[in-house]
Amino acid sequence: KNQVEQSPQSLIILEGKNCTLQCNYTVSPFSNLRWYKQDTGRGPVSLTIMTFSENTKSNGRYTATLDADTKQSSLHITASQLSDSASYICVASIGGGADGLTFGKGTHLIIQP
Amino acid sequence: DTEVTQTPKHLVMGMTNKKSLKCEQHMGHRAMYWYKQKAKKPPELMFVYSYEKLSINESVPSRFSPECPNSSLLNLHLHALQPEDSALYLCASSQGVEGSNEQFFGPGTRLTVL
Repeated sequence: KNQVEQSPQSLIILEGKNCTLQCNYTVSPFSNLRWYKQDTGRGPVSLTIMTFSENTKSNGRYTATLDADTKQSSLHITASQLSDSASYICVASIGGGADGLTFGKGTHLIIQP
Repeated sequence: DTEVTQTPKHLVMGMTNKKSLKCEQHMGHRAMYWYKQKAKKPPELMFVYSYEKLSINESVPSRFSPECPNSSLLNLHLHALQPEDSALYLCASSQGVEGSNEQFFGPGTRLTVL
C-alpha cells in the first residue's frame, strides 16, 4: 500500500531559527516527491518537486532533499519567519494517472516571535 | 496568469439547498481536479477532468456533481448535502493528468452544511 509518513506532527520554534521536517514514503513505482505549504483555510502552494534523480532543490529559504534509496525526504527551513507558520505537506507520486498522488498528513509548524 | 481561482470563498447552505462551486484557470492546463479536505487531514481526491472529460470519480456520492463547461472552468454542483460534507473544497489544475505533472491549487471554498 502506498504511504507517506511525516514527522513531527507539529513543531514550535522561535523566529529566526532553522528547522527540518521529515518525510518517509513507500510508493511504487516512484516518480516524484513534492512539498507543499498550506496556510490554514487556504489551498496548498508548491514549494519543490523532485524526481528520483534529484538530491536537493531549493526555493528561497526552503531546501528539500531526497534520498531515493532510503525513500526519505526532508524540508529544511532557514532563518524562519512568522509567515512560515503553516502546515507542510509531503506528497509522493507514482507517475501514473492523476489518482497516483499519496499525501502525507502534514507537519503543523508554528513560528513564535 | 499563473493562478487557480475559486468562488465563493465561503458558503453556508442547508441540507435542502442547491449550490455550485466554481473554479477557473487560464494557464492552458488540460487537467482539473476537485479535492475535499477536512480539518487537520490531507486533501482527498474527488474528481479528475482531462480534456474536459471526466476521467476519475473516486466513488463520490451523487449529491456532488462535477461539470467542466470548457478547458478553463470547472464547477461542482451541490444538492442535498449532509453536515458531514462540511469541509474545504479545493480545485487544482495541471498540464496533464500524468502523475509527473505539478498540480496548482486554488485557495479553496470553505463549505458549511447546516
